[in-house]
Amino acid sequence: ETGVTQTPRHLVMGMTNKKSLKCEQHLGHNAMYWYKQSAKKPLELMFVYNFKEQTENNSVPSRFSPECPNSSHLFLHLHTLQPEDSALYLCASSQGLTFTGGKPNEQFFGPGTRLTVL
Amino acid sequence: QQQVKQSPQSLIVQKGGISIINCAYENTAFDYFPWYQQFPGKGPALLIAIRPDVSEKKEGRFTISFNKSAKQFSLHIMDSQPGDSATYFCAADRGSTLGRLYFGRGTQLTVWP
Repeated sequence: ETGVTQTPRHLVMGMTNKKSLKCEQHLGHNAMYWYKQSAKKPLELMFVYNFKEQTENNSVPSRFSPECPNSSHLFLHLHTLQPEDSALYLCASSQGLTFTGGKPNEQFFGPGTRLTVL
Repeated sequence: QQQVKQSPQSLIVQKGGISIINCAYENTAFDYFPWYQQFPGKGPALLIAIRPDVSEKKEGRFTISFNKSAKQFSLHIMDSQPGDSATYFCAADRGSTLGRLYFGRGTQLTVWP
């Protein structure tokens, strides 16, 4: 596997279900991100982790719970979601958060998990 | 408050034509302006990026024009091809102090053969 992988690619869940999204990066990066992509909206940053530590929570409802056990893996645990949470959830990684050696850190995105909440 | 404003929302161009997508920002602390390209079923991928110390950057058929005083930047796709049909996102970042990308709403480009 190369780059950033996400599983599952598609997920349908009821409002009372509990599920988890998984992201794995094979790039040796230290920072990982969760984004939400809804139709006709900008990509919304949800969480940022750097060296396994959460550095940003962008006012995300508690029904979304992230977990970063190491720099290569990122999870998003879902419970009691609402239909409006249906969206494409994208994971990304970058070498660091700020410029490294004067160069910007490119974010590499996974293909996303298409989530439908019934 | 939307940090980066992008237009148009959709764009239809004939093959061989020029596609132009515009973005504007307010925060003068932004110091990195990437453009991402997203195909259906894929995540966004970096296409081209510019720092505010230059006014233009060209990579193949893709050019970013940057106007620091107007706080605007645009993507030009020359000789547009059907394979360029995708959604394009502009973004801005304060990468030297706090790495956090702010994205525009995206432009869906369709290039007709």
